[in-house]
Amino acid sequence: EDKVVQSPLSLVVHEGDTVTLNCSYEVTNFRSLLWYKQEKKAPTFLFMLTSSGIEKKSGRLSSILDKKELFSILNITATQTGDSAIYLCAGTDSWGKFQFGAGTQVVVTP
Amino acid sequence: DTGVSQDPRHKITKRGQNVTFRCDPISEHNRLYWYRQTLGQGPEFLTYFQNEAQLEKSRLLSDRFSAERPKGSFSTLEIQRTEQGDSAMYLCASSLTGAAYNSPLHFGNGTRLTVT
Repeated sequence: EDKVVQSPLSLVVHEGDTVTLNCSYEVTNFRSLLWYKQEKKAPTFLFMLTSSGIEKKSGRLSSILDKKELFSILNITATQTGDSAIYLCAGTDSWGKFQFGAGTQVVVTP
Repeated sequence: DTGVSQDPRHKITKRGQNVTFRCDPISEHNRLYWYRQTLGQGPEFLTYFQNEAQLEKSRLLSDRFSAERPKGSFSTLEIQRTEQGDSAMYLCASSLTGAAYNSPLHFGNGTRLTVT
């Protein structure tokens, strides 16, 4: 059975800190790893990673995939209170099925 | 608005009643997914469709749950004889999937079900 595990489950940081979120996966016929941000409602897409070792960046957020060790990390630098959210990762397989982890709740305090 | 839309946004029902939710995906997307999410958990897979064909239904899903996508466009999720444990956010998502690629899932805002 496919499995995606995120750590930590939650963390509290001060504005300006750097945050690193972890995602490990076991997905049969793995195709890609995705990160989402969820505030009050629907998850919104951040990154999709298909190749090992290639960092994707968007502003203060960046992510990288290691297909040998089966994990990904999401970094947020210079955190702001607007970064407070649940961050979800999902592994997808060649049949197009998406398996989500439980998420990491990030709270950024002023 | 060309995003995924779900209706209703909220549903309160009494235990034992049937409920039906609707999802309209992004029009050019061929895949449609239903997920369930409870507090402190990530989205849990329920079922998904390619066009009108249901590809898989979660083994964890009881026979009280059924979903359809009759013309390959909108989808409905029905829960019969609701139980309090069915209280959750029901999320619909769509994507464009081909032989060699999966586009990211695009989610609707969900239907929050409360069973009293």
